Formats: sequence, C-alpha cells, structure tokens
Amino acid sequence: GQNIDQPTEMTATEGAIVQINCTYQTSGFNGLFWYQQHAGEAPTFLSYNVLDGLEEKGRFSSFLSRSKGYSYLLLKELQMKDSASYLCAVRDGDYQLIWGAGTKLIIKP
Amino acid sequence: IAGITQAPTSQILAAGRRMTLRCTQDMRHNAMYWYRQDLGLGLRLIHYSNTAGTTGKGEVPDGYSVSRANTDDFPLTLASAVPSQTSVYFCASSAGGGDEKLFFGSGTQLSVL
Repeated sequence: GQNIDQPTEMTATEGAIVQINCTYQTSGFNGLFWYQQHAGEAPTFLSYNVLDGLEEKGRFSSFLSRSKGYSYLLLKELQMKDSASYLCAVRDGDYQLIWGAGTKLIIKP
Repeated sequence: IAGITQAPTSQILAAGRRMTLRCTQDMRHNAMYWYRQDLGLGLRLIHYSNTAGTTGKGEVPDGYSVSRANTDDFPLTLASAVPSQTSVYFCASSAGGGDEKLFFGSGTQLSVL
C-alpha cells in the first residue's frame, strides 16, 4: 500500500530551527508538496520538490531524496506564527495526491 | 469573490437528511477537488473533476456525489447523511496538469447527529 509518515507533533523554541521529516512509500513518484495549515484554517502551499536536493524559500527550505523516499521541511528563525500543522503530500505514479496526517508544530517563547 | 468560496461555514445535520456543500472558484482553474479531513488522518479525496463536464471518484466516494456543470462550481451532495460523515470538508482547485499546487477553500465543518 501507499504510505506517508511524519511525526505527529513537535515542539520548538522561538528563534530556533526545526526540521520536520516525511518518509514515503508510493507506487511511482511525481513530486512532493509541503503545505501549512493553521488551526481551523485551510492548508496553504509552502513548497514543491520533484528533483533531489534543497529548495530554499526565505525562512523555509525543503529537501528531497527520491532514492531514500525522504523529505524534510526546515524552518529557520522560528516565529510564534509558525505554530501550525505541516502536511506532506506525494503525487504518485498515477498523479494521485497521497497525504500524510500532518505534523503539529508547537512554538514556545 | 477571490479564490475559492465554500458555503456553509458550518452545519449541523440530522442523520438521513440531504445536504449540498457549495464550492465556487473564480480563478478559471480546470481541476477541482473535494477532500474530507478527520483528526489523525491525512486529507482524503472524495471526488474530483479534471475539467467542466467530467467527474471522478477519489479514495472515499461512497455516500457522496458531485457535478461540474461549469468551470466555476463544484457542489458536493450527501444524499442521506450518516454520523460517519461528520468531518471538515475542503474544496480545492488547481490549474490542471502535473506539478501545480492546490488552492483550498476555507472549509465546511459538518456534524451529522
């Protein structure tokens, strides 16, 4: 079966760096997405990786290793507003989007 | 209207009742989707439409139907609601193709009693 794994919850301190991991097992691969979802709100797009390597976008970076079925989202200079759930999603060989359950990130002062 | 609009924001429904969740987008996106989100689970696709006039079944289509009469609207109907359909429902759209991102509506919190 197809599976996306990410930690259920993580805690970090304001101003610090946090890495949220995502591992996947899918039938084929056509890209990996990260979305941010604040409590009670809709998911919003953060990043897209289809080739191996690091994509940097301001304080957020996303890394992909297709051979390892692994990605991470790196958040630098954490701010209180970064408290949210982070959803990993993989587009499989049939271009179907498979979603992880999300990682709830708690930022403490 | 800017982006995707869903209505209602929330609804309490008696089991057995019929309910239509509305979704409208003004981005001229070809593809539209309905997801449900339940605690501890990833988003699950209910139905999708790649273009006006076509629809397809997702991962959890039973008990739901959709229509896509035009580009902008993609309503989701629960013919006879059951308590297991209590969830948060998100409508989303994308331009269509391979690597495009999804734009989500603000969601509908549905409780079936």
